[in-house]
Amino acid sequence: GENVEQHPSTLSVQEGDSAVIKCTYSDSASNYFPWYKQELGKRPQLIIDIRSNVGEKKDQRIAVTLNKTAKHFSLHITETQPEDSAVYFCAASKGSGGSNYKLTFGKGTLLTVNP
Amino acid sequence: EAGVAQSPRYKIIEKRQSVAFWCNPISGHATLYWYQQILGQGPKLLIQFQNNGVVDDSQLPKDRFSAERLKGVDSTLKIQPAKLEDSAVYLCASTRAGGGTDTQYFGPGTRLTVL
Repeated sequence: GENVEQHPSTLSVQEGDSAVIKCTYSDSASNYFPWYKQELGKRPQLIIDIRSNVGEKKDQRIAVTLNKTAKHFSLHITETQPEDSAVYFCAASKGSGGSNYKLTFGKGTLLTVNP
Repeated sequence: EAGVAQSPRYKIIEKRQSVAFWCNPISGHATLYWYQQILGQGPKLLIQFQNNGVVDDSQLPKDRFSAERLKGVDSTLKIQPAKLEDSAVYLCASTRAGGGTDTQYFGPGTRLTVL
């Protein structure tokens, strides 16, 4: 089955700096890569996603890049703010329009943004 | 629209006892997922339903875990008997359609502590 590795496990940055979280996946058939943000004691919430026909996607301060050849994708947060502090999870799945769709998550990155 | 609802939010039981969790997905969402999130890890899929049928239960410990979605709407997940290692947050998620790359929306989770 799919295996998703996520690095680093913890990341501490100063407010205003950029943060980068990287993930690799094992199944070359995976074609959907969402990123979730989970604040302490709360539910995971989708912040951005990318599909395999796109190499990069940006939404304000957040961007995701995908390299299908190398089977890795990354989350980039620019101009970090204290409210960006949370655990971030990457995930991968094969969306086939049928029954094979399921997310495999990485182990998460605890991002701390210091004021 | 209302989000995914789960209850209870917290549950403390002793090992070998039974416990049940309830989930009500977003209205109109055909696919429902149960995940187990152990502290410090990403969510792990336990079971996926499409309407009232099971699509994937390959990671469900069937000797002690069971789940149903009888009318294709809300769902229950049961553990009987519970073990210490079942202590985790149990997350329910739903998507609009059965496959492809639809966004998964998560509920607030049920935090289970097994003593």
